Amino acid sequence: GAGVSQSPRYKVAKRGQDVALRCDPISGHVSLFWYQQALGQGPEFLTYFQNEAQLDKSGLPSDRFFAERPEGSVSTLKIQRTQQEDSAVYLCASTQWTSGRETQYFGPGTRLLVL
Amino acid sequence: GQQLNQSPQSMFIQEGEDVSMNCTSSSIFNTWLWYKQDPGEGPVLLIALYKAGELTSNGRLTAQFGITRKDSFLNISASIPSDVGIYFCAGFTGTASKLTFGTGTRLQVTL
Repeated sequence: GAGVSQSPRYKVAKRGQDVALRCDPISGHVSLFWYQQALGQGPEFLTYFQNEAQLDKSGLPSDRFFAERPEGSVSTLKIQRTQQEDSAVYLCASTQWTSGRETQYFGPGTRLLVL
Repeated sequence: GQQLNQSPQSMFIQEGEDVSMNCTSSSIFNTWLWYKQDPGEGPVLLIALYKAGELTSNGRLTAQFGITRKDSFLNISASIPSDVGIYFCAGFTGTASKLTFGTGTRLQVTL
């Protein structure tokens, strides 16, 4: 597709429910990032993939958060046993490298509300 | 997590005015990116800067990569109502690494 797409755009979950958020990066982009954006804040890094390899997961807030990219394209961010503090916008980005220069392009985000 | 210091936090200006905002860090960055985020949407890339001292324009937008590599500036000339939104600076400290974002500048424009 032309840009990064994410689904669902909105998700309401009851506390304790598991959720799965999907990201389709720009075709051909090797690197994929997940960010969490709390209300009124800038996005904060969660995890990073290069192809199917998860190279950095230092930003995942707890072991309830899990991300995968098994075939090096589509990625899924899974949150188990959701808590109210997980309510946020989850952004996916993929990276273009041109002549050694890196640029990240973002999807529209998934707005998660945990009740 | 770490966020860059961005100022001002918000601006309320009249259509046609010029706007300036800046971003500072205690760490050196090797790439600076400026994004605009509209309500309910993801950040949209406006300008990318890759060299210290670089000055780059995109229409009415001009951004500069500070000489110290610890700051960046964004200027918007002759603002129009569709400039409304939140502007974020963001930077890379290394290659293929995570972006660190600023705290955002909320811009509101009146006729």
